[in-house]
Amino acid sequence: GAVVSQHPSWVICKSGTSVKIECRSLDFQATTMFWYRQFPKQSLMLMATSNEGSKATYEQGVEKDKFLINHASLTLSTLTVTSAHPEDSSFYICSARGGRTGETQYFGPGTRLLVL
Amino acid sequence: AQTVTQSQPEMSVQEAETVTLSCTYDTSESNYYLFWYKQPPSRQMILVIRQEAYKQQNATENRFSVNFQKAAKSFSLKISDSQLGDTAMYFCAFMKQLIGNQFYFGTGTSLTVIP
Repeated sequence: GAVVSQHPSWVICKSGTSVKIECRSLDFQATTMFWYRQFPKQSLMLMATSNEGSKATYEQGVEKDKFLINHASLTLSTLTVTSAHPEDSSFYICSARGGRTGETQYFGPGTRLLVL
Repeated sequence: AQTVTQSQPEMSVQEAETVTLSCTYDTSESNYYLFWYKQPPSRQMILVIRQEAYKQQNATENRFSVNFQKAAKSFSLKISDSQLGDTAMYFCAFMKQLIGNQFYFGTGTSLTVIP
């Protein structure tokens, strides 16, 4: 149980294009999902908290117009990187809250984004 | 603000031996959760073990156990009978006991199990 999927697993795009990443909780409902960014050999950096049916909460320094988050259902959150640039190249990971009292985060397998 | 510190960037252990990864945290909260996650080369984050701060008993999951010292704000992970598949980055994480709260991650410890 508590499986989270992410799609696509990796994507290469041209500078200026937009890329959408999907995060799904497969066997449980998640009112809250999180989006992280991870650089090589570093820890996870929280970008935003995605709440079903409401606006996402972005961390300081994260451009909300650049990284659009939509959490339209209890099992799906999407992250859209708009007008992507090479500096947006990174590993993006989502997680969904689950567990007996919702205290545990279950992570997706991540999406590698390369912007040329 | 909560901070989580992992003071060992890299560690190694011989296969079948025991290794302990350290984690300390700083908080003024009395109720919270602590976690250890493993990130192997595939980069999939995998939950290893979870501890609720109000429980005095240390959590265990098969070969993995923790030494939770609440007063010292210490939460170390012990891996017994290390296996090659344990090679990974290990992250310690803290969460306040409120719905919707974020995780605070440590900087990670890279563990290599040597055959």
